[in-house]
Amino acid sequence: GQNIDQPTEMTATEGAIVQINCTYQTSGFNGLFWYQQHAGEAPTFLSYNVLDGLEEKGRFSSFLSRSKGYSYLLLKELQMKDSASYLCAVIIDYKLSFGAGTTVTVRA
Amino acid sequence: DTGVSQDPRHKITKRGQNVTFRCDPISEHNRLYWYRQTLGQGPEFLTYFQNEAQLEKSRLLSDRFSAERPKGSFSTLEIQRTEQGDSAMYLCASSPRQDPNTGELFFGEGSRLTVL
Repeated sequence: GQNIDQPTEMTATEGAIVQINCTYQTSGFNGLFWYQQHAGEAPTFLSYNVLDGLEEKGRFSSFLSRSKGYSYLLLKELQMKDSASYLCAVIIDYKLSFGAGTTVTVRA
Repeated sequence: DTGVSQDPRHKITKRGQNVTFRCDPISEHNRLYWYRQTLGQGPEFLTYFQNEAQLEKSRLLSDRFSAERPKGSFSTLEIQRTEQGDSAMYLCASSPRQDPNTGELFFGEGSRLTVL
């Protein structure tokens, strides 16, 4: 089985940086994904980590430590449109298993 | 390429009725997934197809739920004798990757079910 934990909510100011942590416990591991989901919309892919280290993609970066069962998503230069739920997910046995998501609210 | 499309987008039904949702994946995507999402939660895996073969079903999928993917293209998810606990967003996703352990999923907008 697997447990995926991430904070429920975070609030930050426009232009700031926010780090969303995710810890997981799995009996198998084949990669970690971050998805963004705006209210009432479908989740959309943000990043994928399978090896330890930092993956940078514009304003978003994702980090993975397999030995610690830990990942974070870093959002820089926050914009109002970044207000959304951010879902951490791990691949186990060919399918994505999601955490409950972290709702990020960006304030002006 | 119009992305993953789902129909209907919204369905309100009375308890005990049957409902069917349809998913049209991105063309040539051979893997198709159904997930269920309730408010404040992440998507929960329901079932998965590789082409027309249903390879796995979650224990969440009771015998009232059935999914098909004839000819390996569109898929349907049917819920029989709906219960109020079935109220949720039903998400379909597809992926082109041959290796199921890699590759991102492309989600549809979902079908929201409300059971009265």
